[in-house]
Amino acid sequence: GENVEQHPSTLSVQEGDSAVIKCTYSDSASNYFPWYKQELGKGPQLIIDIRSNVGEKKDQRIAVTLNKTAKHFSLHITETQPEDSAVYFCAPIRPGGSYIPTFGRGTSLIVHP
Amino acid sequence: GAGVSQSPSNKVTEKGKDVELRCDPISGHTALYWYRQSLGQGLEFLIYFQGNSAPDKSGLPSDRFSAERTGGSVSTLTIQRTQQEDSAVYLCASSPGQGATEAFFGQGTRLTVV
Repeated sequence: GENVEQHPSTLSVQEGDSAVIKCTYSDSASNYFPWYKQELGKGPQLIIDIRSNVGEKKDQRIAVTLNKTAKHFSLHITETQPEDSAVYFCAPIRPGGSYIPTFGRGTSLIVHP
Repeated sequence: GAGVSQSPSNKVTEKGKDVELRCDPISGHTALYWYRQSLGQGLEFLIYFQGNSAPDKSGLPSDRFSAERTGGSVSTLTIQRTQQEDSAVYLCASSPGQGATEAFFGQGTRLTVV
């Protein structure tokens, strides 16, 4: 099965700073790379995703970059705001058979006002 | 709303009792997943349903856990003879099932076994 690791497990930044979270996966066949945000008391929600034929994708203050050779992808948040405080999960998927997302252990992002 | 709905939102049960957790997926979604999230931990895969195919039960931690999906829609996760280590948030998600795509999550059921 897929092994997924996220780093760091906790990230504390000041409002306005940038934050970067890295996800490393083991299965080279994986071709879908999403990031989910989980706020307290809620289920995870997709914030951005990328497929294997693209190296970078940006949506306002958030971006995802993919390095398929090194088998990792990263979430970048610029100009962080207190409402960005949450737990972030990566969940790569490999094609074929069951399309079951394998979640990393999560990164707790704390943005201090 | 047209999102994934789970019930109950909270459940407190005594050790040894059976519990049933319900998930109503988004209409038309053929894929349905159950995950378990212990306090401060990541999401642990439990079971996956896709259309009329046999479910992938590879994540169920013991034979006390079972799940069914009736009519390709509503799913029920059953835990028999609950133990304290079963205390967690149980999350359900659904997706259109057309390959690798976004999973839409419910708000979860927080299960506490006392």
